[in-house]
Amino acid sequence: GAVVSQHPSRVICKSGTSVKIECRSLDFQATTMFWYRQFPKQSLMLMATSNEGSKATYEQGVEKDKFLINHASLTLSTLTVTSAHPEDSSFYICSAQGATNEKLFFGSGTQLSVL
Amino acid sequence: GQSLEQPSEVTAVEGAIVQINCTYQTSGFYGLSWYQQHDGGAPTFLSYNALDGLEETGRFSSFLSRSDSYGYLLLQELQMKDSASYFCAVRDLNDYKLSFGAGTTVTVRA
Repeated sequence: GAVVSQHPSRVICKSGTSVKIECRSLDFQATTMFWYRQFPKQSLMLMATSNEGSKATYEQGVEKDKFLINHASLTLSTLTVTSAHPEDSSFYICSAQGATNEKLFFGSGTQLSVL
Repeated sequence: GQSLEQPSEVTAVEGAIVQINCTYQTSGFYGLSWYQQHDGGAPTFLSYNALDGLEETGRFSSFLSRSDSYGYLLLQELQMKDSASYFCAVRDLNDYKLSFGAGTTVTVRA
């Protein structure tokens, strides 16, 4: 099956710093990638839809200036959490659309802890 | 928008059968999916139903009734490794975004 690689898997940073998370589709081209956020024991909440070569579409309530998304190529999307604060601590997961609309392929997730 | 409801927890013994129900509301239904997520891991795709009926994949089966806005995931011959969270998800016809239910934590006991 398709493989989506996400790095880093875990990051601890100080409040006020920025953190970049990379999501790569390794064996297929992904024109659309999705970024989700998940708190412990909760569901996955869609943050934004990342489209190659165009601006990301953010869900209601998600600050686009705080969560910068860049989808510069068909295999790479990045999420940058700018000026991170403790409340941004969460599990961030990217996903890519496969050849059909039936399934998403997920990265392994990034556990962000902001001190 | 979409909303989904599924039970929060289910506990069963090895070898048993578990059914996880999911009801949904959506403005444009495209399909119902099921994903499995182990603690600390990423969700993995289990099944997809776009049409009414039962889809069987090994020990796991998924059912959909579009007229009832209802589906279920059936886990048979439960094994310890099946202990995980299971999410139903609906895809919106208009923008293809996938929205997830709150998840059902399945605990398998020896």
